[in-house]
Amino acid sequence: EVQLVQSGAEVKKPGESLKISCKGSGYSFTNYWIGWVRQMPGKGLEWMGIIYPGDSDTRYSPSFQGQGQVTISADNSISTAYLQWSSLKASDTAMYYCARHEEGDQFDYWGQGTLVTVSS
Amino acid sequence: EIVLTQSPDFQSVTPKEKVTITCRASQSIGSSLHWYQQKPDQSQKLLIKYASQSFSGVPSRFSGSGSGTDFTLTINSLEAEDAATYYCHQSSRLPHTFGQGTKLEIK
Repeated sequence: EVQLVQSGAEVKKPGESLKISCKGSGYSFTNYWIGWVRQMPGKGLEWMGIIYPGDSDTRYSPSFQGQGQVTISADNSISTAYLQWSSLKASDTAMYYCARHEEGDQFDYWGQGTLVTVSS
Repeated sequence: EIVLTQSPDFQSVTPKEKVTITCRASQSIGSSLHWYQQKPDQSQKLLIKYASQSFSGVPSRFSGSGSGTDFTLTINSLEAEDAATYYCHQSSRLPHTFGQGTKLEIK
């Protein structure tokens, strides 16, 4: 059974760093893209970026790329993908989902979501 | 960036009714269009991939159609458990994008 299990909710202060995780199981982790999707409170879904663990090829949405934004990575030895921030802002408060990106097209399996709250 | 516009934003419907949700792309995306269901406080579930292919385990009352710029998700004989927000997603060009969502309320 394909499963993506995300790390637990986080409460952080502005300026702090954070790394959240997404552990895949039940399939060959290195053979599928993993994507990250943001959902701000009461809002819709936003595609942030994807990584192919097999060769670490990473693509970002321009909305999330650039200095001070996010970094997507993966550790194949533990079948885990990561989303990290070096300096959080209040506007990063959101639910973050990881999902398996079959053939780089549809997201066929989703994690349960990680709620990130950034508040002073 | 390709913009996906869904309509309606909200619909209140009765059980057994037929529901149609549309998704329009700002440029042609072939059949690279997928539909998801998000129930309150739950993660998303894939319903339809490549515009018209049902994902494994999805009830047969869900179907999709369209190509190019205009797509439709149809729910035949709506059930109470279908109360959710539905999103379309294009994978034709990076960055991928989602529609703004359509919330279905069951009367």
